[in-house]
Order: sequence, then structure tokens, then C-alpha cells
Amino acid sequence: AAGVIQSPRHLIKEKRETATLKCYPIPRHDTVYWYQQGPGQDPQFLISFYEKMQSDKGSIPDRFSAQQFSDYHSELNMSSLELGDSALYFCASRKGQEFSEQYFGPGTRLTVT
Amino acid sequence: DAKTTQPPSMDCAEGRAANLPCNHSTISGNEYVYWYRQIHSQGPQYIIHGLKNNETNEMASLIITEDRKSSTLILPHATLRDTAVYYCIVGKSSNDYKLSFGAGTTVTVRA
Repeated sequence: AAGVIQSPRHLIKEKRETATLKCYPIPRHDTVYWYQQGPGQDPQFLISFYEKMQSDKGSIPDRFSAQQFSDYHSELNMSSLELGDSALYFCASRKGQEFSEQYFGPGTRLTVT
Repeated sequence: DAKTTQPPSMDCAEGRAANLPCNHSTISGNEYVYWYRQIHSQGPQYIIHGLKNNETNEMASLIITEDRKSSTLILPHATLRDTAVYYCIVGKSSNDYKLSFGAGTTVTVRA
């Protein structure tokens, strides 16, 4: 079965640079979530989209922005990167109103040096 | 969303049942209990969820007390591949429902 695809899987950036993470949800899933997991921490919700509209927002820094496109893929844009942004970034997708569970991608490991 | 409390860690022998408790005493009537697990640095994986009835699927069973203030996830025959952090999460089933991961239980299955 098709799974959530995230690219790139690994990314190394320097401080103050920008990064773009991409997420391709499972086909026919209309809801996308982004989570951040710092070293030794639990995943924390950043932002979500339903039918291409932002549906909820968590502890996402103002330096980050995201959107969901017409084909339902989503991109997380991160600017002015800081060392503390080094983390695993997970994308999850869900088909709203039918199934409750979220399906997670393999994550993008971002390292800021 | 209601908060949950789980033991920080537990060990289990391979082939035996693993019973993972979770307290959610402030759960409201329309909130579900979800269980996810995360195998080292992989994306979290959905296990099971329930509202008030006990549930079973191919991975696990979920037992919810009658007052809904606690639940137990049962892995019937633990294998080494079940070693993971298990998260009990309470929340509503809605279009914009996010998962609020708290401190889960690190389960180590030993041969």
C-alpha cells in the first residue's frame, strides 16, 4: 500500500539558511499534519491542513510557514535556521471524516550547523 | 484535550503479553483514546483507538474501564520488533484533530 512520502530524508543546512521540506500524502488523503521531534523529545505538533486550508496551528515559529497545494502535497518552509531547529520533521496524512488514524511518513532529519 | 499518564518504562519477555496502562481521568464524553507507537526514530505508527467499548485488531487489544478514566493496551504476544515508545493520546475525532504526544512508555521486549 502507498505510504506517506517525505523528501528529502536528510538535510544539512547552516545557520541563517532556508530549508524546504516536502510531504506527499497517501492518495485520497485530504489532511496533512507536520510534527517536529527534537533530540530525545516527543513529537510536537506544528501545523495542519485540511482541503488546502490551514486547519490548526501549534508551536510553529514565525520563521516557518507551510502550505498545502492543489494536489494535496504540502511543503514546510523554514527560514533563518537556528541550531535548535535541528530535529526530525514528520508529516502525517489522514482522510478526514472517514478514518481517525494518522499515517506518518519516515521523516526528514534536518541538521543545522 | 485531556492529559494522560503512563509509566515511563516497562520490560516484557518475548512471547508474553504486554499490558500497557494509561490514566486519563479528565477525559470528556466525546474524546477517544488513541494508541500510537514509535520504533526508534521512525514515524509514529497507529495501533488502535476506542471510545468506550473494548477494541481488538490484528496488532493489539484496547480495554477501556467503564468510567473511561483509564485504559490498557494489550500486545498479546510481544516480539522483539515491538520494542518501541508507546503513546496513549486522548482527543476528538474531527477533521482538524492533532495528536498531542506526551511522555509515553518505553517498552523493551527481551528474548
